[in-house]
Amino acid sequence: GAGVSQSPRYKVAKRGQDVALRCDPISGHVSLFWYQQALGQGPEFLTYFQNEAQLDKSGLPSDRFFAERPEGSVSTLKIQRTQQEDSAVYLCASSLDSGHQPQHFGDGTRLSIL
Amino acid sequence: AQSVTQLDSQVPVFEEAPVELRCNYSSSVSVYLFWYVQYPNQGLQLLLKYLSGSTLVKGINGFEAEFNKSQTSFHLRKPSVHISDTAEYFCAVTPMNTGFQKLVFGTGTRLLVSP
Repeated sequence: GAGVSQSPRYKVAKRGQDVALRCDPISGHVSLFWYQQALGQGPEFLTYFQNEAQLDKSGLPSDRFFAERPEGSVSTLKIQRTQQEDSAVYLCASSLDSGHQPQHFGDGTRLSIL
Repeated sequence: AQSVTQLDSQVPVFEEAPVELRCNYSSSVSVYLFWYVQYPNQGLQLLLKYLSGSTLVKGINGFEAEFNKSQTSFHLRKPSVHISDTAEYFCAVTPMNTGFQKLVFGTGTRLLVSP
C-alpha cells in the first residue's frame, strides 16, 4: 500500500496483559514516530526513530512502554502489564527524512483495556 | 517546552459560511507551525504548515492560516465551508532546534458544518 499501515485496528485486552502494536511505514521513509491520543485529546508524542536508531523516547509514559524498529522499517510498540489508563488510540507516522518533510499518519490502533 | 491552546472545542457553522479556528501557542524557542485534520476513525492529514517566509500560508481544500508572531497565533480560516469539512482540526508546533518534527498538538476543534 501507499500509506502508513497499522495493525490491528482495534485491540481489546484485559488489565495486566501485554500487547504489541505494529506499524508499517511508507517504503523508504527514514523517520518513524509514535503518538498516543487519549479520547477527546490531541496526539501526544511518545518516541522517534531515525532508521533503526531510537533517538528520542522522552514521551514514553513509563518503563512498561517499549518500542523497536530493528531493521529500520517496521516498528512495534509494546506495552507490558497494561493498565486502564493505557486505553487510547496509538498513531504511527513516518516521514521521508528527519527535517521538514511532512509526517504521514496511519489510521491508528484503538486500544481498550478492560 | 511548548504548549498549544485551541480555545474552541467545537465550532458549528452553516454550509458556505466562513469559518475561523483559533490557535495560540507558547514556546521559549522559535517554532514551526502546522494544522492537521482528522476524519472519524482515521489518522491525521496535513492541511498546511508554516516554516518561514510569508506569514499567510495556503493549504489544501481551500484552507489558509496566518502566522502572527507578536500574538503567538496561527489561526485557520476558510471563506466558504462544505459539509465535507466536518472533522476535528488540530494545531501543532515543533521547535526549530530539535532536528526533527517533535509535534506538540492542541486539544483540537471539532468543526460541525450543517446544511
